[in-house]
Amino acid sequence: DTEVTQTPKHLVMGMTNKKSLKCEQHMGHRAMYWYKQKAKKPPELMFVYSYEKLSINESVPSRFSPECPNSSLLNLHLHALQPEDSALYLCASSQNPGGADTQYFGPGTRLTVL
Amino acid sequence: EDQVTQSPEALRLQEGESSSLNCSYTVSGLRGLFWYRQDPGKGPEFLFTLYSAGEEKEKERLKATLTKKESFLHITAPKPEDSATYLCAGWQGGSEKLVFGKGTKLTVNP
Repeated sequence: DTEVTQTPKHLVMGMTNKKSLKCEQHMGHRAMYWYKQKAKKPPELMFVYSYEKLSINESVPSRFSPECPNSSLLNLHLHALQPEDSALYLCASSQNPGGADTQYFGPGTRLTVL
Repeated sequence: EDQVTQSPEALRLQEGESSSLNCSYTVSGLRGLFWYRQDPGKGPEFLFTLYSAGEEKEKERLKATLTKKESFLHITAPKPEDSATYLCAGWQGGSEKLVFGKGTKLTVNP
């Protein structure tokens, strides 16, 4: 089983709202990732968690706040977003941090910021 | 600068018309080359991982190959359901990052 699940599938929020995206995997993977994908562009790395610790932050604005409560869960907390943050947000996981292991992606959350 | 370049940007084929997609890379210390398929509004679906030049992998109508400078995704006798964007990505040695190409949008007409 190589399934990564994400909730919700769609999210519409105003610029003053606070919301969270959730990601879950039960493959025993120890690396988890958040990506942002705009239309007709490739995924763009935002954050990497290795063994539940934040290892890479690609200079993402503080209005995006990641959290890894345990080895199976990954959250992305959203606050005071801008309309340009509207995108498909993808979660991925891989077996070993720092290794060239396959990343398995979830179905994504389509975020619209009004 | 590490780069992955895919060509063509878009490709239209007739059902049954075989072709190849190209992925050239200049990723320092490349430790893995990955192919994904992505349907509109969905997450990338893993297809293949290639680790060394000369390696080949097959799955149904798809075959991926790797040389020291590029990778090819060969599509044999494609069907309309093969229509999607195909993404190539390289894993840079010493980092935890995938370097993605911009993708090739494949359309297979019946």
